[in-house]
Order: sequence, then C-alpha cells, then structure tokens
Amino acid sequence: GQQLNQSPQSMFIQEGEDVSMNCTSSSIFNTWLWYKQDPGEGPVLLIALYKAGELTSNGRLTAQFGITRKDSFLNISASIPSDVGIYFCAGQLYGNQFYFGTGTSLTVIP
Amino acid sequence: EADIYQTPRYLVIGTGKKITLECSQTMGHDKMYWYQQDPGMELHLIHYSYGVNSTEKGDLSSESTVSRIRTEHFPLTLESARPSHTSQYLCASSRRADNEKLFFGSGTQLSVL
Repeated sequence: GQQLNQSPQSMFIQEGEDVSMNCTSSSIFNTWLWYKQDPGEGPVLLIALYKAGELTSNGRLTAQFGITRKDSFLNISASIPSDVGIYFCAGQLYGNQFYFGTGTSLTVIP
Repeated sequence: EADIYQTPRYLVIGTGKKITLECSQTMGHDKMYWYQQDPGMELHLIHYSYGVNSTEKGDLSSESTVSRIRTEHFPLTLESARPSHTSQYLCASSRRADNEKLFFGSGTQLSVL
C-alpha cells in the first residue's frame, strides 16, 4: 500500500504556541484529509482539501494541499490543552480507498 | 454528530475463541469500513463494503471476515482468535456522495491471551 510520512512524530509545546505538522507521500492524491484522534476514541475529521494549492481553515486550524499533490500541512494557532491528541493525514485518489499517515502526537503543556 | 456505534469497547478473550465485533450506523451511509490500528500507529484497512451484499478485502491481510446483510450493520468475525490479533479495531462509514468524509466509531480494543 501507499506510505504517507508525517513529521514530526511527536511534539511537546507550551499552551498558546503555534503548531505546524506535515505529511508527504511518494504518490499523488486528489483529496487530502486531516483527522484528530483522542485517546480511546476513533478519529474525527478536521479538514478536507480537494484541490492542489487549496488553503482551508477551520477555526484555529489551517491546512494546505501541496502544489505537487504529494504533500499537505496542518497548522494550529494558539494551542490549548484540548488540542492534545494524535493528528493523522489521509490521502485518497479518485474516490478509492484512503491511506493514512503515521500520525503526529501532540502534547500541550499548560 | 456521527452516529456510528461499536460494541464491545473492550474485549479480552482466550486463544481459539470465535468473536464478532459489532458495528452499526444510523446515518444511512452506503459505504462501511473496518480498520486495524496498533497503539499510536497508522490505520490499516482490512475490509470495506460499498453496500448491501458487497464486501471487499483491504490492503492489510486479515484472517477476519465481514458481512453486510443490512445497510446499517457491518460485523467483523474472527473464527479463531490468536494473540497476533490483539489490536484496536475501528469501524467507519461514509456517504456515497462525499465518501472522503469518514465517520468513525469509538473502536473495540481486543486483547487475545
């Protein structure tokens, strides 16, 4: 299957700081998605991106679909304790199955 | 708010037992999926269904089987559980129209002793 690499693997930040994480693939996708998973729960969709170069915001979250269609990044501004969790990117090609990234674990220190 | 339910949340069983993990959704979604996830790791697709009487295997080889007799129900069965099956199992569903938006259940954490 496809491999999506996320970096960093984990982050420890102070409350109020901004966060940036990215996801890269060796293959192109026509849809990129970002999910957040809280401990003991299933992932929840945060942002969906449909077009190369697209920049989309959802509250304090901003994500971009890379021009090459092989990467995406997610930014979180002014982090708060409830941002803690694992963030997964996922790529999809033409309505077919999703491929999930390796995850970025975020810890916010109050 | 997603309406997709998985039971049980936690299951500890002995080797060789037959188990069925339940997944139901009340959103009328056509597509349903089963993913396997080890702690803190990526999700791997093991089975999916595009509708009633449709089931397909995913990328990750699995000894489990699934059925889709009703739109809302997508159970996963292990005929003979082994310690290597210990993992979290996540069920998800999506609409045909915007199938990129997956709604996940809370998962079943399976431990096989």
